[in-house]
Amino acid sequence: AQSVSQHNHHVILSEAASLELGCNYSYGGTVNLFWYVQYPGQHLQLLLKYFSGDPLVKGIKGFEAEFIKSKFSFNLRKPSVQWSDTAEYFCAVNAGGSYIPTFGRGTSLIVHP
Amino acid sequence: NAGVMQNPRHLVRRRGQEARLRCSPMKGHSHVYWYRQLPEEGLKFMVYLQKENIIDESGMPKERFSAEFPKEGPSILRIQQVVRGDSAAYFCASSQRTGEGYTFGSGTRLTVV
Repeated sequence: AQSVSQHNHHVILSEAASLELGCNYSYGGTVNLFWYVQYPGQHLQLLLKYFSGDPLVKGIKGFEAEFIKSKFSFNLRKPSVQWSDTAEYFCAVNAGGSYIPTFGRGTSLIVHP
Repeated sequence: NAGVMQNPRHLVRRRGQEARLRCSPMKGHSHVYWYRQLPEEGLKFMVYLQKENIIDESGMPKERFSAEFPKEGPSILRIQQVVRGDSAAYFCASSQRTGEGYTFGSGTRLTVV
């Protein structure tokens, strides 16, 4: 069974700091990869997704993620965070042939102004 | 486009009562998914439905939980004889096709007292 690991459960940064959130998965075949964000009290929103092509994916709000197949990773990055980026971030993976993505446990990001 | 609509937003039930959670998918979406979110545990898949069919219910508890997506009307997640451990946020998501990113609803926060 596929699994998704988000090793950083809680991250605290100051505004303008750079962000990288780790995501690793356990499936060796074709995958579809997603990052979702959940702002306090709100529903999950899709930040970005990777299906194929350029492994560097640009999403909304200045976020990007890089798919590194050899490392089974899909880390999320942002060069300069803002207070409004405070949220829970979830990585999700669809293994080839599966229609149900597996979600990571989530990373709680707090950005201090 | 109203997105995925879930109601109620908050639901309080006494132990032993029934809880009914409703989800109307995004217009044009025929795939509906239910997830449960517990604190510090991320999102856990429960069930995947298409109109009038349960496609995958591997994440549903065997007892007390059921789901339907009738030809007309919203998808319903039904929890009979609720217990305190059922307290959680229940999210519905929809998609136009399998394997692509979801659109999530705002969730129903169930509290069992």
